[in-house]
Amino acid sequence: DGGITQSPKYLFRKEGQNVTLSCEQNLNHDAMYWYRQDPGQGLRLIYYSQIVNDFQKGDIAEGYSVSREKKESFPLTVTSAQKNPTAFYLCASSKTGGRTEAFFGQGTRLTVV
Amino acid sequence: GENVEQHPSTLSVQEGDSAVIKCTYSDSASNYFPWYKQELGKGPQLIIDIRSNVGEKKDQRIAVTLNKTAKHFSLHITETQPEDSAVYFCAAVNDYKLSFGAGTTVTVRA
Repeated sequence: DGGITQSPKYLFRKEGQNVTLSCEQNLNHDAMYWYRQDPGQGLRLIYYSQIVNDFQKGDIAEGYSVSREKKESFPLTVTSAQKNPTAFYLCASSKTGGRTEAFFGQGTRLTVV
Repeated sequence: GENVEQHPSTLSVQEGDSAVIKCTYSDSASNYFPWYKQELGKGPQLIIDIRSNVGEKKDQRIAVTLNKTAKHFSLHITETQPEDSAVYFCAAVNDYKLSFGAGTTVTVRA
């Protein structure tokens, strides 16, 4: 089955710790995205990548980092510099980067305790 | 950058009635406008999309219209059913960047 997989579904982190969220796709898509979702604010773009070994900051990149070493994988690290990291994080991919359908994973809910 | 505004934020309709959600965008270079439906605790799923060279598109009970001059597009759901209850997001795409509206929570009353 082709798709996009995020893990884990739920994640708890202590303040001051970095944490990495996984995103893997087997759709052979070139473009991948990370979004943050907070109640009433829709989806805000954190980072996106058009191709392997290249990525760009989105609207709210501060406190986050990414890598794109493989086409299939686009992990997101939430660093201790992110002041309010508790949120629902969504990863997406698309074939040609925007002009075709973006497929979303099921999300990771991160809670800072 | 692109700014997408979506209205209303909540919408309650009687089963069988129509629901309309409206969005505006700011960047005239945006050329692709998808609509997503999100159920609780899940990722959004595409329900319909429209490209900038088309004014209207329909898929069964769902239709989308686009007015490029006014930079607005709308989602129309006819004959609403309880399973249409969800959060709906509009989006505008410019090159690789996908920008979303804040979402509309639709509740269909039985």
